[in-house]
Amino acid sequence: GAVVSQHPSWVICKSGTSVKIECRSLDFQATTMFWYRQFPKQSLMLMATSNEGSKATYEQGVEKDKFLINHASLTLSTLTVTSAHPEDSSFYICSATDFSYNSPLHFGNGTRLTVT
Amino acid sequence: AQSVAQPEDQVNVAEGNPLTVKCTYSVSGNPYLFWYVQYPNRGLQFLLKYITGDNLVKGSYGFEAEFNKSQTSFHLKKPSALVSDSALYFCAVRDRFRSGYNKLIFGAGTRLAVHP
Repeated sequence: GAVVSQHPSWVICKSGTSVKIECRSLDFQATTMFWYRQFPKQSLMLMATSNEGSKATYEQGVEKDKFLINHASLTLSTLTVTSAHPEDSSFYICSATDFSYNSPLHFGNGTRLTVT
Repeated sequence: AQSVAQPEDQVNVAEGNPLTVKCTYSVSGNPYLFWYVQYPNRGLQFLLKYITGDNLVKGSYGFEAEFNKSQTSFHLKKPSALVSDSALYFCAVRDRFRSGYNKLIFGAGTRLAVHP
């Protein structure tokens, strides 16, 4: 089945630094990738949608300058948390689809970000 | 607007007993419904989907779901629960009417605890 690889699985960084999270589709071309954020014991909140070769579409309330998304190829999207603060600590999950008819989303294993 | 509701925060079941995790939906047009499972500190794994056709959908790991249009429900079921089924389960509906792209709207999640 389709595999989405997300790296790193966990990261600890100091406040004020930036962190990059990678999301790769390993055996299919992902025309669209989605980035979600999940707080403890809560559902997934969609942050943004990235389409290969174009600017990401951010959901309302998500700061695009804070969460930089790049989707430079059909197999790679990156999320960079810039000038991280403790309140950015969360579980970030990417998902990808090739948008073949009714294909499900395939999810990465998530990245646990802790900002100290 | 498309939405899904999972009325139970947690479901407790004894191993070997049947389990049901409830989901109701609200959509404009035909619903595209999904179930995903999440294990601790992991991404989401696709279980099954309903697009059209038979109301009883069979998925991974022995799970199935019944689409009921009159009750706008899509409950997840399994005839005999395993301890290893203990996880967080998400119902989702595909939003096909926003900004020209498909995305999933997730329910709040239901934690399934299967006791030996």
